[in-house]
Amino acid sequence: GEDVEQSLFLSVREGDSSVINCTYTDSSSTYLYWYKQEPGAGLQLLTYIFSNMDMKQDQRLTVLLNKKDKHLSLRIADTQTGDSAIYFCAETPGGSYIPTFGRGTSLIVHP
Amino acid sequence: KAGVTQTPRYLIKTRGQQVTLSCSPISGHRSVSWYQQTPGQGLQFLFEYFSETQRNKGNFPGRFSGRQFSNSRSEMNVSTLELGDSALYLCASSGDRLETQYFGPGTRLLVL
Repeated sequence: GEDVEQSLFLSVREGDSSVINCTYTDSSSTYLYWYKQEPGAGLQLLTYIFSNMDMKQDQRLTVLLNKKDKHLSLRIADTQTGDSAIYFCAETPGGSYIPTFGRGTSLIVHP
Repeated sequence: KAGVTQTPRYLIKTRGQQVTLSCSPISGHRSVSWYQQTPGQGLQFLFEYFSETQRNKGNFPGRFSGRQFSNSRSEMNVSTLELGDSALYLCASSGDRLETQYFGPGTRLLVL
């Protein structure tokens, strides 16, 4: 199976919170990332968390890490139409800085 | 600081041809990585260069090669193009904090 798994789609109403989930298999992962990709653009690093952390908050973004279950989530508060994009979860295995990416979750925000 | 730039942005080639893509990293960044993004395979790591040396390599055939110059600019080359090489090729650079990569907008390659 894939090393990093994400659901393919998420649809939310503008103003609601979005929660994008990710699971990974490598227990030696050191860093876990969330990237955003808008149509026709490259990847934008949104935030990342070191594996010894449980949570990281950055303005509207909250990252939660459950290392025991190898589960990572990204919560976007007050989701706006401009948040519509593909969100990629990624992890780097121990000893490497080369990330392994999930397939991405398409977030659709409707009015 | 200017971001990562990639040229050209779009490219159309025919099977059997070769192509060279260019990436200019953020000023001061010495690590440059290349990725291939396709709908079928997602984002796959090609290779990483650091100070003109290939430091990491993904699972791609030898038709895919790269190099890095003394100013950290990098090029990747694909020879004998196949239809399946049609993809978005992304370049990313890292500075002292190797755990953070900054991506360029990509080069979209279409092989006919």
